[in-house]
Amino acid sequence: IAGITQAPTSQILAAGRRMTLRCTQDMRHNAMYWYRQDLGLGLRLIHYSNTAGTTGKGEVPDGYSVSRANTDDFPLTLASAVPSQTSVYFCASSPDRRWFYGYTFGSGTRLTVV
Amino acid sequence: SQQGEEDPQALSIQEGENATMNCSYKTSINNLQWYRQNSGRGLVHLILIRSNEREKHSGRLRVTLDTSKKSSSLLITASRAADTASYFCARRPSGSARQLTFGSGTQLTVLP
Repeated sequence: IAGITQAPTSQILAAGRRMTLRCTQDMRHNAMYWYRQDLGLGLRLIHYSNTAGTTGKGEVPDGYSVSRANTDDFPLTLASAVPSQTSVYFCASSPDRRWFYGYTFGSGTRLTVV
Repeated sequence: SQQGEEDPQALSIQEGENATMNCSYKTSINNLQWYRQNSGRGLVHLILIRSNEREKHSGRLRVTLDTSKKSSSLLITASRAADTASYFCARRPSGSARQLTFGSGTQLTVLP
């Protein structure tokens, strides 16, 4: 089934540890995004990539990094996790960055930093 | 920062009734989109309305857009228990390469 796969589904992480959230899509979408979802705050954009080889910062990029080595994969790395990064993380994609496309979302990674 | 609000934050109705959710925003947009999120799942795209459109239908969904008031509404007619979910509006700001900005959503509960 075409779509976005995120891994892991959930994780408990000790503060200070490094972690990479994985995101893979098989739709050959050019644009990909990482959002975090916190209760009462909706979804906030962390980083995005309009095409392989390029990335950009969203609304809340501090403490996170991304890479886009190829079209299919868009990993999100927490270099040194802090409790405020406890959240549900969603990866999304769209055919390209143009305005008339909707996004396809993955099922999310629930991360708890303790 | 969030560029707008959904209203109400929570809505509880009986099966068969209509549900209306509203979304307001602050900056000019290219389009506005509505998404549904079932508990513990990712968001699913429902409908997109462009800034030059005033109304759009998709099955039991009806979306309106009033750019002069910077507001949109999502109407779900003849609701079903399976419509229970959170509903989010997402604004695509005007200008090139602008990403979607989401509100905090409306939690809809449809009682059987």
